[in-house]
Amino acid sequence: SAVISQKPSRDICQRGTSLTIQCQVDSQVTMMFWYRQQPGQSLTLIATANQGSEATYESGFVIDKFPISRPNLTFSTLTVSNMSPEDSSIYLCSMGLAGYNEQFFGPGTRLTVL
Amino acid sequence: AQKITQTQPGMFVQEKEAVTLDCTYDTSDQSYGLFWYKQPSSGEMIFLIYQGSYDEQNATEGRYSLNFQKARKSANLVISASQLGDSAMYFCAMREGRSSNYKLTFGKGTLLTVNP
Repeated sequence: SAVISQKPSRDICQRGTSLTIQCQVDSQVTMMFWYRQQPGQSLTLIATANQGSEATYESGFVIDKFPISRPNLTFSTLTVSNMSPEDSSIYLCSMGLAGYNEQFFGPGTRLTVL
Repeated sequence: AQKITQTQPGMFVQEKEAVTLDCTYDTSDQSYGLFWYKQPSSGEMIFLIYQGSYDEQNATEGRYSLNFQKARKSANLVISASQLGDSAMYFCAMREGRSSNYKLTFGKGTLLTVNP
């Protein structure tokens, strides 16, 4: 299987600031996915990050608000920019691995914006 | 239209009994995968079970089984012999396509409470 770590595990931020979330995988993977889970809600895909190309954003999410980097096959970052209380969520990264049907998820980053 | 529908916001079950969590899906793809994930209060996403659209037999993983009815587009999760540790949120998800590199679409989830 795969081991995925995320940093930070949680943070409390002031509105108007930005936070960068890191996702590290112990295997080389082509695609990484970033999801948002607002309080009491389901997971919603923010974007798909493919190494060596621009991330693909889902409807309702834009690069200026959620810039993503994918510098290599084991690492990605998601930045939540100019935060507001509505950005308070759990942010999760995930990836698929050859030979496995399921996607593996990181432990998540719990973000609270005051 | 929703691609994954979970109609039970909350379910209660007595310890040691079986429970069925409902999931229906909508896709025009012939090749797709259906998943169930468990999310305890800690927030981690725990993979439970997978069913491929071409799989003829229902998937089973220990106490978990997936009741796959393709014509009805349903993929219900059955948990046998419920345990207190099964109390959590359960999400049904779908991937359109064969590869695990395709994105997942999640249902709204069902909060399961196991009573002693």
